[in-house]
Amino acid sequence: DAKTTQPTSMDCAEGRAANLPCNHSTISGNEYVYWYRQIHSQGPQYIIHGLKNNETNEMASLIITEDRKSSTLILPHATLRDTAVYYCIATEYGNKLVFGAGTILRVKS
Amino acid sequence: EAGVAQSPRYKIIEKRQSVAFWCNPISGHATLYWYQQILGQGPKLLIQFQNNGVVDDSQLPKDRFSAERLKGVDSTLKIQPAKLEDSAVYLCASSLGGTGGLFGPGTRLTVT
Repeated sequence: DAKTTQPTSMDCAEGRAANLPCNHSTISGNEYVYWYRQIHSQGPQYIIHGLKNNETNEMASLIITEDRKSSTLILPHATLRDTAVYYCIATEYGNKLVFGAGTILRVKS
Repeated sequence: EAGVAQSPRYKIIEKRQSVAFWCNPISGHATLYWYQQILGQGPKLLIQFQNNGVVDDSQLPKDRFSAERLKGVDSTLKIQPAKLEDSAVYLCASSLGGTGGLFGPGTRLTVT
C-alpha cells in the first residue's frame, strides 16, 4: 500500500468548508484513495473513496489531482459534529485498510 | 439496518488474566475484521476472516491472542494472558467484500 501523509491537526470555523489534504506520491495505478473518520469513542466511519475522478456524496467531496499524487477531502459546511480524526488511506480494492495517525479536525464555533 | 454489535463495551482486568470479546457482524457480511487501537494511534488490523477462514493474521500476537469465527457469523477474540500493553480499544468491522466495511463501537480494554 502507498504511504500517505496528512497534517497532524487542523482547525475550521463552523459553517465554513473544511479542506483536508493528503499526499500519496507513491500511489500505484490500482490503488484507490479512501477516507474514513473517527469521532471520539466511536468506530471509524466510511466517508468516500475514489480512483482518479473527483467524487461527491452526501457527506463530502473528494478531489484527486491529475497525477494522483495528492487529494483533498472537502466538507462543504463543517459543523461541530464533524470534529473527528480523518484518515486518508491508499490501497487496492479488496485489500485491508492500513490506518495512519490521521488528521485531527477541530471545528470551532 | 442493524450495525455491527460488540460486547462488552468496557472491560477492566488485571495483567495475566484472560479476556474475551464478542462481535456480531452485519447479516450477510462474509468478511470480518478485528482491529486494535492504542490511544493516540490509528487502528491496526489483527485478523481478517472470510466466512470462517482466516485471510490475514500476520499482525496477531499468536502467543497470547486467538480468534475464531464459527459458522462464518459471530466472532470472538481472546487474550490469554493479558499484558499491560494490551490496553486498547478492540474494534470489529464487517463487509460484503471489497475494502473497508462498517465498524462496531469497539470494546475498551484496560489492563492494570
